[in-house]
Amino acid sequence: EVQLVESGGGLVKPGGSLRLSCAASGFTFSSYSMNWVRQAPGKGLEWVSSISSSSSYIYYADSVKGRFTISRDNAKKSLYLQMNSLRAEDTAVYYCARGEAVNDYWGQGTLVSVSS
Amino acid sequence: DIVMTQSPDSLAVSLGERATINCKSSQSVLYSSNNKNCLAWYQQKPGQPPKLLIYWASTRESGVPDRFSGSGSGTDFTLTISSLQAEDVAVYFCQQYYSSPQTFGQGTKLEIK
Repeated sequence: EVQLVESGGGLVKPGGSLRLSCAASGFTFSSYSMNWVRQAPGKGLEWVSSISSSSSYIYYADSVKGRFTISRDNAKKSLYLQMNSLRAEDTAVYYCARGEAVNDYWGQGTLVSVSS
Repeated sequence: DIVMTQSPDSLAVSLGERATINCKSSQSVLYSSNNKNCLAWYQQKPGQPPKLLIYWASTRESGVPDRFSGSGSGTDFTLTISSLQAEDVAVYFCQQYYSSPQTFGQGTKLEIK
């Protein structure tokens, strides 16, 4: 069974940093591209970042470029999102999702709240 | 970026009746290499992550009931639930993956009348 489990969310002050993790199991992690998608409270879905299976290709939404860094460790079957210079508008549930374009499996998400 | 616009924003349908949700893209998402549309539909129930229902505009994901169907091409797409069940209450999102960044519609909230 495919499982994606996010962790690392929490309450942080504006300008602060957080590192999200996503632990994968039930599939060959190293064969799949992965994404981070976020959802602000009561709002829609916003793609944040993608990383290819071997980390050769990395993409970011303009809204997070220069502040967020996606990475992965295939040996640990884990995906990461380093978030710096956090803003109030980054408040959201952050989901990791499997897939290069179509997101066929999603984790339960981790809540990031940015507030003073 | 390709803008995805869904209609309506919310919809109330009686149990057993048909539900139809529309999605329009700001430009064509038809991939010429395979003549398929890069359009997916997701279902999100309260407190849960999105679940993939349909991709390539009309291909049902494994395990998705056949009352869910997708249609359309180019810029106009439709998700149809042929006979609404109570467990179908959710928010539905369309997504284009024709070009980066992938973008989502704003969502359509489906309720029971």
